[in-house]
Amino acid sequence: NAGVTQTPKFRVLKTGQSMTLLCAQDMNHEYMYWYRQDPGMGLRLIHYSVGEGTTAKGEVPDGYNVSRLKKQNFLLGLESAAPSQTSVYFCASSDLLAGVGEQFFGPGTRLTVL
Amino acid sequence: AQSVTQLGSHVSVSEGALVLLRCNYSSSVPPYLFWYVQYPNQGLQLLLKYTSAATLVKGINGFEAEFKKSETSFHLTKPSAHMSDAAEYFCAVTKTGNQFYFGTGTSLTVIP
Repeated sequence: NAGVTQTPKFRVLKTGQSMTLLCAQDMNHEYMYWYRQDPGMGLRLIHYSVGEGTTAKGEVPDGYNVSRLKKQNFLLGLESAAPSQTSVYFCASSDLLAGVGEQFFGPGTRLTVL
Repeated sequence: AQSVTQLGSHVSVSEGALVLLRCNYSSSVPPYLFWYVQYPNQGLQLLLKYTSAATLVKGINGFEAEFKKSETSFHLTKPSAHMSDAAEYFCAVTKTGNQFYFGTGTSLTVIP
């Protein structure tokens, strides 16, 4: 049971480049989330998904897009990277079948935009 | 909108001393509350959660938290700090499980 995995672990982009971050979970969770973590700001929700084929905006969705084509995967895309998107990105998943429960987090992706 | 306030971005305690990390939430309806811990270069791990059962919640590694509706607080405590408790701690809140709101975090330093 790998839990939540994220690919890649590190990435450096130039302004204007695009990339996709991949999150995968093997716990059959319905809910998946993308956060960014910045110093002094905690974690802020970018987008989330309540099931395969569904996505919704979180607190800070601008400049990001997501897709949930398969239940186990949640992709985060940056179409035109900006230095303000330099951050650590965390994916999480949760299962609400037994009531509101904990989120399981991946190890993070450290992204630098030059 | 829901929000969480963590008082004190940095807390230092001596090894063996009481740990107290503060969290206040704003919500008209008692939400679900969580404490997470983050060790350097790792993701977040759940310490404990409040889901409207007992108001005193016990978690892993000797931590516990008490939900006080009258004070809208969910402070995290541990009677005796260990060196291994040095980490970043986050309080989080949700009403439905769709969206979680995290505090800005408290960095705990344990002094030998």
